[in-house]
Amino acid sequence: GAGVSQSPRYKVAKRGQDVALRCDPISGHVSLFWYQQALGQGPEFLTYFQNEAQLDKSGLPSDRFFAERPEGSVSTLKIQRTQQEDSAVYLCASSSYSGGTEAFFGQGTRLTVV
Amino acid sequence: DQQVKQNSPSLSVQEGRISILNCDYTNSMFDYFLWYKKYPAEGPTFLISISSIKDKNEDGRFTVFLNKSAKHLSLHIVPSQPGDSAVYFCAASAVGSGGGADGLTFGKGTHLIIQP
Repeated sequence: GAGVSQSPRYKVAKRGQDVALRCDPISGHVSLFWYQQALGQGPEFLTYFQNEAQLDKSGLPSDRFFAERPEGSVSTLKIQRTQQEDSAVYLCASSSYSGGTEAFFGQGTRLTVV
Repeated sequence: DQQVKQNSPSLSVQEGRISILNCDYTNSMFDYFLWYKKYPAEGPTFLISISSIKDKNEDGRFTVFLNKSAKHLSLHIVPSQPGDSAVYFCAASAVGSGGGADGLTFGKGTHLIIQP
């Protein structure tokens, strides 16, 4: 596709439920990033893939968060046993470079945990 | 501790005038800086960037200035247009550090409002 695509756009989950958020990066982009944006805040880095390798997961807030990119293209961010503090917009970005420069962002998935 | 700070949550500027958005950073390892623009319900869109080897980069109506000694950068938009109304995020990266996070560190954003 022409841009980074994320699905679903909106997700409401009951506390304790598991969720999976999908990201389709721009075709051919090597780097893929996940960010979490809380209300009134800037995006905060969660994790980074270079192709299928997860090179940095230092931003994942807890072991309930898990991300994968098994074939170096589509990525899934999974949150287990969701908590209210997980409510945020989850942004995916991809870049043709091996760093974070000039990354292209998707529209995000707004997760609300009730 | 915020490594990238945008101290003005909002800024109102008259159409046709210059908009100046400011950003400060604390991490001296940052060597690449970007500005992103965000409309409601959309993801951030890349606007302009600057490497730490430069002190100015210009692209049409947008100019970014970097003062490394002060750890300060600013985005100038001139002339400001109604379509420029959006949230602007300053972001930084330690591209040349060779390790650690390759992601961007963002500020909290400044909501720019262009008054007609």
